[in-house]
Amino acid sequence: DAGVTQSPTHLIKTRGQQVTLRCSPKSGHDTVSWYQQALGQGPQFIFQYYEEEERQRGNFPDRFSGHQFPNYSSELNVNALLLGDSALYLCASSRTGNTIYFGEGSWLTVV
Amino acid sequence: QKEVEQNSGPLSVPEGAIASLNCTYSDRVSQSFFWYRQYSGKSPELIMSIYSNGDKEDGRFTAQLNKASQYVSLLIRDSQPSDSATYLCAVNEAAGNKLTFGGGTRVLVKP
Repeated sequence: DAGVTQSPTHLIKTRGQQVTLRCSPKSGHDTVSWYQQALGQGPQFIFQYYEEEERQRGNFPDRFSGHQFPNYSSELNVNALLLGDSALYLCASSRTGNTIYFGEGSWLTVV
Repeated sequence: QKEVEQNSGPLSVPEGAIASLNCTYSDRVSQSFFWYRQYSGKSPELIMSIYSNGDKEDGRFTAQLNKASQYVSLLIRDSQPSDSATYLCAVNEAAGNKLTFGGGTRVLVKP
C-alpha cells in the first residue's frame, strides 16, 4: 500500500516564477492538506481539500492556490515566488476524523 | 491565534536515559494531540497520538495529556542515538483534520 507520494522532491525556481507541486494521497484517503515548513520551524497549515473543494485555509496569501482532482490527488500552486517561499512543502492525507499521514515533501528553493 | 509552544532545545541526554519533552497549547477546544519525529532533511513521522487525559504507552514512548492544564508531554525511555531528531508536537482542532504544530524540540542522544 503506497503512502502519500509527492513530486518533485527538489526544485529550484527564480523569484517571480510560478511552481506546481503534486500529491497523491494514501489509498482510501479523501482529504488532502498542504503545509509549509521553513527551516528550523514547525509546519504551517496552508489549506485543505475535501471533495474537490477548499475546506479550510491558513494564513497564506492568494498567491498560494490549490486543486483536488476526482481521484483525490492534489496540486499546490504558488505564483510570483518570493525568496521567503523557500521551504519544505508537505502534503498530508487522511480520511475524515482519522490519522494524518505526511508525504516525504517537496523542497523548494527560490533564488 | 491558536498556539502550540515547545522548548526548541537542544535537549541533550546520555544514551539509556529518559528524555522528557513538553508542549503547551492555547486552544481549549483541541481534541487530539500528536507527537511527530522529524530527522534532518526528512518529513515528520507520527510516533504517538493521544486523545484523553492520562498516559499512553507505546514501546519506549509514553505520551501524557492534561487538558485542564493544556499540556502534553512525551517521555522517551532508554534513549538511543537513533532517537536524535526534532520532535514536533501537534494539536488537532475540534473541527476538521487541521494540525497546528509547535516549533519542535531538538533532541541529541549522546553515546
